[in-house]
Amino acid sequence: EAQVTQNPRYLITVTGKKLTVTCSQNMNHEYMSWYRQDPGLGLRQIYYSMNVEVTDKGDVPEGYKVSRKEKRNFPLILESPSPNQTSLYFCASSFADITDTQYFGPGTRLTVL
Amino acid sequence: AQKITQTQPGMFVQEKEAVTLDCTYDTSDPSYGLFWYKQPSSGEMIFLIYQGSYDQQNATEGRYSLNFQKARKSANLVISASQLGDSAMYFCAMREDIMDSSYKLIFGSGTRLLVRP
Repeated sequence: EAQVTQNPRYLITVTGKKLTVTCSQNMNHEYMSWYRQDPGLGLRQIYYSMNVEVTDKGDVPEGYKVSRKEKRNFPLILESPSPNQTSLYFCASSFADITDTQYFGPGTRLTVL
Repeated sequence: AQKITQTQPGMFVQEKEAVTLDCTYDTSDPSYGLFWYKQPSSGEMIFLIYQGSYDQQNATEGRYSLNFQKARKSANLVISASQLGDSAMYFCAMREDIMDSSYKLIFGSGTRLLVRP
């Protein structure tokens, strides 16, 4: 089944404790992206990657890191999480064509205390 | 400046009636794509419909159609014959080219639709 998976789905952590949210897709997509969703703000892009070893900042990259060592995986790293990073996070992937649909993972709800 | 504007935070519609969700966008790029996604209460993002900036005809997908008015920079979603299962948050998004052959997807703030029985 074609899908984007994220883990964990739910996470409660404390300020400053490094964490990684994994994202994996099995559709051979070149393009992968991370978004955060906050009430009243819609989804905002954190980072995106056009292909392996190619990553770039989105609109809200501060406090986040990503890596793209393999085509299928695109982990999101919070080196020192803070309460303002409490949010719902989505990973998405697509082929690298402007017309192509982005497929979203199920979301990760992160709470930073 | 906001690139995607959804001016209706919430809307009601009677079951079986049609409803239009508004979306306006702002870009100077001649090549762009417009998407609508549905987010039910379970949280997943479901792709509904796509319109390319060069497409001559309005996109349709089953009960969903996109009323694309390029000169007015609007891409309204029309849902015909609303069903109770259409109650959800709806997001308009625009994909635009940026330099180095890459692109980004920008979302509006969403419209919450409630279908009344």
